[in-house]
Amino acid sequence: GAVVSQHPSWVICKSGTSVKIECRSLDFQATTMFWYRQFPKQSLMLMATSNEGSKATYEQGVEKDKFLINHASLTLSTLTVTSAHPEDSSFYICSARGGGSDTEAFFGQGTRLTVV
Amino acid sequence: GEDVEQSLFLSVREGDSSVINCTYTDSSSTYLYWYKQEPGAGLQLLTYIFSNMDMKQDQRLTVLLNKKDKHLSLRIADTQTGDSAIYFCAETPLWNQGGKLIFGQGTELSVKP
Repeated sequence: GAVVSQHPSWVICKSGTSVKIECRSLDFQATTMFWYRQFPKQSLMLMATSNEGSKATYEQGVEKDKFLINHASLTLSTLTVTSAHPEDSSFYICSARGGGSDTEAFFGQGTRLTVV
Repeated sequence: GEDVEQSLFLSVREGDSSVINCTYTDSSSTYLYWYKQEPGAGLQLLTYIFSNMDMKQDQRLTVLLNKKDKHLSLRIADTQTGDSAIYFCAETPLWNQGGKLIFGQGTELSVKP
């Protein structure tokens, strides 16, 4: 299958700082990228959907000013957690789709964020 | 709204078959998926089934879909210790033009030697 690379795999940051997570599709053009958050022993919660060149669509309850998503090219989307707090500590996973809703979405390996 | 439910844990012995169950509420689901997640890793698509199918088999994996009862199951034959992971079912509702996935909470499969 196609490869989606997330970077970094893990990051520790201080409260109040911002952290950027990158999601890259390595061998296909990702027209749509999704950002998920996963708490321990829980399911993936969709945070937002982004299409290349347009603003991200955020799910209800997700603060768009706190979780900034940019999808500037067909191979790269970024999630920036601004002014991070300990409650933002979580596992963040991106997925990328190259076509319509009937095409497979490929997942990155995830990023473990710890805010201290 | 849409909802996907799974049992949280399943423990089997190596060589036995595992059956992981999932129920969903949205009758307009077009595709239903099974993903595997190993510790600290992203999700790997195992298999999927289109909503007009009853069964799909792929090597050791068998997916059964009962659309009337909105019940999906994943059977793993000859389960191995390497199959230990969390398994998520997910659906894509018909109305969802963006193709986002609605996930269940995951079933942790533990395979004992």
